[in-house]
Amino acid sequence: DAKTTQPNSMESNEEEPVHLPCNHSTISGTDYIHWYRQLPSQGPEYVIHGLTSNVNNRMASLAIAEDRKSSTLILHRATLRDAAVYYCILRDWETSYDKVIFGPGTSLSVIP
Amino acid sequence: DARVTQTPRHKVTEMGQEVTMRCQPILGHNTVFWYRQTMMQGLELLAYFRNRAPLDDSGMPKDRFSAEMPDATLATLKIQPSEPRDSAVYFCASGVSYSYNEQFFGPGTRLTVL
Repeated sequence: DAKTTQPNSMESNEEEPVHLPCNHSTISGTDYIHWYRQLPSQGPEYVIHGLTSNVNNRMASLAIAEDRKSSTLILHRATLRDAAVYYCILRDWETSYDKVIFGPGTSLSVIP
Repeated sequence: DARVTQTPRHKVTEMGQEVTMRCQPILGHNTVFWYRQTMMQGLELLAYFRNRAPLDDSGMPKDRFSAEMPDATLATLKIQPSEPRDSAVYFCASGVSYSYNEQFFGPGTRLTVL
C-alpha cells in the first residue's frame, strides 16, 4: 500500500487558517486521498476525501497537488474544538477500498 | 441520528479472564471494522467484515482473539484469555462497501487487563 508522511505535530492560533500537509509520493492512480480526525477521547471521524480535484465541504477544504504526490487539508478558521489528531490516508479503489489504514497522523494544537 | 454503538464503554478485568466487546453497526451498513488503539502502536486494524463475512483478520492475534458477526446488527470481539498487553481502546466502525464515503466510528471500549 502507498504510504503517507505527515508532520508529527502542528500549532495554530485560534481563528487563523491551518494548512495540514501530507506527502504521498508513491500514490497510485486508483488511490483516493482521505482525511480523518480524532478528537480527544473519541473515535476517528471522517473529514473529507478527493481524487484529483480540490474539494470543499462544511468542515474543511482539500487541496491536491497536480501530480497528486501531496495534499493539504485546510481548516479555514481554527477553533479550539479543532484540536485533534489528523490522519491522511490513501484508499485504493481497486484492491482494498473498504479498509482504512491509519498512520501516526498530525497532532494539531490550537492556541487561544 | 444514526450512530455506531459499543458496549461496554469501559472494562476492567484480570489476566486470564474472557472479554467480550459488542458493536451495533449503523442500520444499512454492510461493512464492520474492529480497531485497537494504544499509545505505542496507534490505531491498528484488527479485522473487518463485509456482508457479515470475515474478509481480513490478519491484524488480529489468532490464538486469543476472535471476531464474529452473528447477525447484521451485532459484531463481537472476544479475547480469551486476556493479557495485560491487550489493554487498549477498541473501536468498532461501520460503512457501506465500495462507497466513496466515510467509515463511522463508535465511541470505543476502554479495556484494562490487570
